[in-house]
Amino acid sequence: GAGVSQSPSNKVTEKGKDVELRCDPISGHTALYWYRQSLGQGLEFLIYFQGNSAPDKSGLPSDRFSAERTGGSVSTLTIQRTQQEDSAVYLCASSFSGGSNYGYTFGSGTRLTVV
Amino acid sequence: GDSVTQMEGPVTLSEEAFLTINCTYTATGYPSLFWYVQYPGEGLQLLLKATKADDKGSNKGFEATYRKETTSFHLEKGSVQVSDSAVYFCALSDQGAGSYQLTFGKGTKLSVIP
Repeated sequence: GAGVSQSPSNKVTEKGKDVELRCDPISGHTALYWYRQSLGQGLEFLIYFQGNSAPDKSGLPSDRFSAERTGGSVSTLTIQRTQQEDSAVYLCASSFSGGSNYGYTFGSGTRLTVV
Repeated sequence: GDSVTQMEGPVTLSEEAFLTINCTYTATGYPSLFWYVQYPGEGLQLLLKATKADDKGSNKGFEATYRKETTSFHLEKGSVQVSDSAVYFCALSDQGAGSYQLTFGKGTKLSVIP
């Protein structure tokens, strides 16, 4: 596609429920990143995928968070047993290579609200 | 660890005013520096970048110069427009720490009034 596509754009869920957020990167981009944008906190790195290499999960805040990338393309971020502090905008980005000097292209994000 | 500090917002300016948004950083290696912009309801877009000391990044009338001696990358524009209203993020990637990850500042919201 022409850009990074994320769905849904908005998600309201009840505390304790599981949610899945989807990211469809730009075709041909081998690297994919998830960030979380919380109010007043800037952007927090969550996870990074590069080709077929093992993902860098060092930014995931707890074991309730997981992500996968199927076929080197679409990625799904899953949050289990959601908590109110999980409310944030979840941003996905992709790039041609793992080096950020190539520039990321970000999606518009999924706004998650846990009530 | 690496960090980016940028001036607190919000910043409100009249159209055609001069803009400066300060950004300083700490890094273990020799970072590349970026400014991203987020317009309302949209994702982040790369505005400009600089990869080595004294480089000047520029785009859409915005400029920022990589100052290693002051560890700064301040964003400037000579004459802002209403369409520049957005949130601006300073960021770095540290080649020594793994260049794939961007470390962001908290963002500065700019509002330009006619």
